[in-house]
Amino acid sequence: DAKTTQPPSMDCAEGRAANLPCNHSTISGNEYVYWYRQIHSQGPQYIIHGLKNNETNEMASLIITEDRKSSTLILPHATLRDTAVYYCIVRVRGDSSYKLIFGSGTRLLVRP
Amino acid sequence: SAVISQKPSRDICQRGTSLTIQCQVDSQVTMMFWYRQQPGQSLTLIATANQGSEATYESGFVIDKFPISRPNLTFSTLTVSNMSPEDSSIYLCSVGYRGSGNTIYFGEGSWLTVV
Repeated sequence: DAKTTQPPSMDCAEGRAANLPCNHSTISGNEYVYWYRQIHSQGPQYIIHGLKNNETNEMASLIITEDRKSSTLILPHATLRDTAVYYCIVRVRGDSSYKLIFGSGTRLLVRP
Repeated sequence: SAVISQKPSRDICQRGTSLTIQCQVDSQVTMMFWYRQQPGQSLTLIATANQGSEATYESGFVIDKFPISRPNLTFSTLTVSNMSPEDSSIYLCSVGYRGSGNTIYFGEGSWLTVV
């Protein structure tokens, strides 16, 4: 199963872009990269996912390198409410289920 | 996305007792999972709840300690048996559909404190 490596913490200024990196050098061809975040005391919130193309939605953009060994989640204009732990996950396909195995994540602090 | 309701949202339990946590989804889902999040830690997958059959447990988790039921496509329960203070955690239900990118959604969790 592919594992991910993320910096334990980052910070950025409110209104600026937050770029959160993730390494997944052992990812296999049929594994997706998912991003979730967990704001204190809440359940994880889905942000975005991708296979090999860059993806964008109303919350964020996901940039995946051509070799798929790393990716970056971009929050284009961070707000104080984006302060959370961000998890980069490579989705494991096992049997008939699609499990998500969480790593330690990156604690993002958005500064006023 | 699914609306996931967990009960209880919070509880304080005595050592040696058992507690059953319920997870109700507002629509039929293909996949249901149970996670544990110990204080200050990341999420750990306990098991996949299989409809009409025994749950599939991850390494380190056993049915005697965490029995799981899933009688239909919208409901599951997790029981934490013979609790000790080490079981104090947030227990989270998550669900997914086949299709729609197989995205997994999470409930708000059940905060359990064992005294």
